[in-house]
Amino acid sequence: AQKITQTQPGMFVQEKEAVTLDCTYDTSDPSYGLFWYKQPSSGEMIFLIYQGSYDQQNATEGRYSLNFQKARKSANLVISASQLGDSAMYFCAMMGSGAGSYQLTFGKGTKLSVIP
Amino acid sequence: DTAVSQTPKYLVTQMGNDKSIKCEQNLGHDTMYWYKQDSKKFLKIMFSYNNKELIINETVPNRFSPKSPDKAHLNLHINSLELGDSAVYFCASSRGLAVSYEQYFGPGTRLTVT
Repeated sequence: AQKITQTQPGMFVQEKEAVTLDCTYDTSDPSYGLFWYKQPSSGEMIFLIYQGSYDQQNATEGRYSLNFQKARKSANLVISASQLGDSAMYFCAMMGSGAGSYQLTFGKGTKLSVIP
Repeated sequence: DTAVSQTPKYLVTQMGNDKSIKCEQNLGHDTMYWYKQDSKKFLKIMFSYNNKELIINETVPNRFSPKSPDKAHLNLHINSLELGDSAVYFCASSRGLAVSYEQYFGPGTRLTVT
């Protein structure tokens, strides 16, 4: 079974500052993928970034980077130079490789509010 | 050019009714999913289809029945709706079952049962 833990129900960040959203995971699968999704108030789910368990380097996509620490089973999302449009719910998710794992397991999410 | 579309976007109905939600993807993906997001924003898998074959069927009441007429469509039919079925239902698709394939979500269908 897989488990994703996001311990920050809500976060505030000043516009133009960087912010880190925490995510820890638990799995016994040897291979897995970690994902971050953004859900603005309009409700759609937007894929942000992916990190594979065997990737040697941390993933980056524009202002988003993933701080992957495999030994600590953490996959924190870093957003640089926050913008007002970054205000949203952020979900960490993982997909395992074991039997019956062909699904995304989500954390409970972190609500990020960017302050002007 | 919507990648994953769902209809309807809003669905308000009474307890005991039967309703369907339709999902279509034009990405050429092999795998499609249904997720339920509850009032606390928690997302949970309901079903997964790969090449029209059901591969995941989580502990969902059998009042919920998915149907995949082809790889581009995955519909969700719900019988005898209950108050607890009120939620946002998301359809998603991915290229396949590999752990590296991101899932693309539809806009969601907000179901309200009164």
